[in-house]
Amino acid sequence: DIQMTQSPSSLSASIGDRVTITCRASQSITNYLNWYQQKPGKAPKFLIYAASSLESGVPSRFSGSGSGTDFTLTISSLQPEDFATYYCQQSYTTPRTFGQGTKVEIK
Amino acid sequence: QVLLVQSGAEVQKPGASVRVSCKASGYSFVDYGISWVRQAPGQGLEWMGWVSAYYGDTKYAQKFQDRVTLTTDSSTTTAYMELRSLRSDDTAVYYCTREGQRGASIFFQYWGQGTLVTVSS
Repeated sequence: DIQMTQSPSSLSASIGDRVTITCRASQSITNYLNWYQQKPGKAPKFLIYAASSLESGVPSRFSGSGSGTDFTLTISSLQPEDFATYYCQQSYTTPRTFGQGTKVEIK
Repeated sequence: QVLLVQSGAEVQKPGASVRVSCKASGYSFVDYGISWVRQAPGQGLEWMGWVSAYYGDTKYAQKFQDRVTLTTDSSTTTAYMELRSLRSDDTAVYYCTREGQRGASIFFQYWGQGTLVTVSS
């Protein structure tokens, strides 16, 4: 199975901060990398596919980059509604696997 | 709009089975696969398996291979997840999710609201 490792596991940030979350795959997944946002008690929300393509309706302050084994999710200017847990997920092969999540908290 | 509405919370005893349903609407049911993802309390997301709503073929995570069955009923546009031989560590929220695809990229585009399954004696 492909292991997905996110860092950091959690971070504290202020409104307006630039936030970067890293996701590393245990082998190359080319660009078959998706990102999701989850708020407490809610289902995950799909944000980004193919490492860098924004889903329709997702604010442009979210961006993704990377290929191969190393990927990043960046929030350019953190907003109050962005405090949540973020997960990466590979769709290169089955079993589909997720990172362990990165919790973004208010500083 | 695409909606996935799951059945309600369940409490089951160890060793029992549970069946969770996922009623789909707002799209052509047979055109998309359904995956099931679970989340134990305070933990991350774990993919359990996938079922094609057209052919009914399945793929399962090895961890669940022997205990889970995924099915669909196109007449009612409903997907089902059955998990057998329940253990306390199966306590989790179970989500159905409809895949989306753009080019070769596949992703979990739409999610049900989740069903809490509690396993307790």
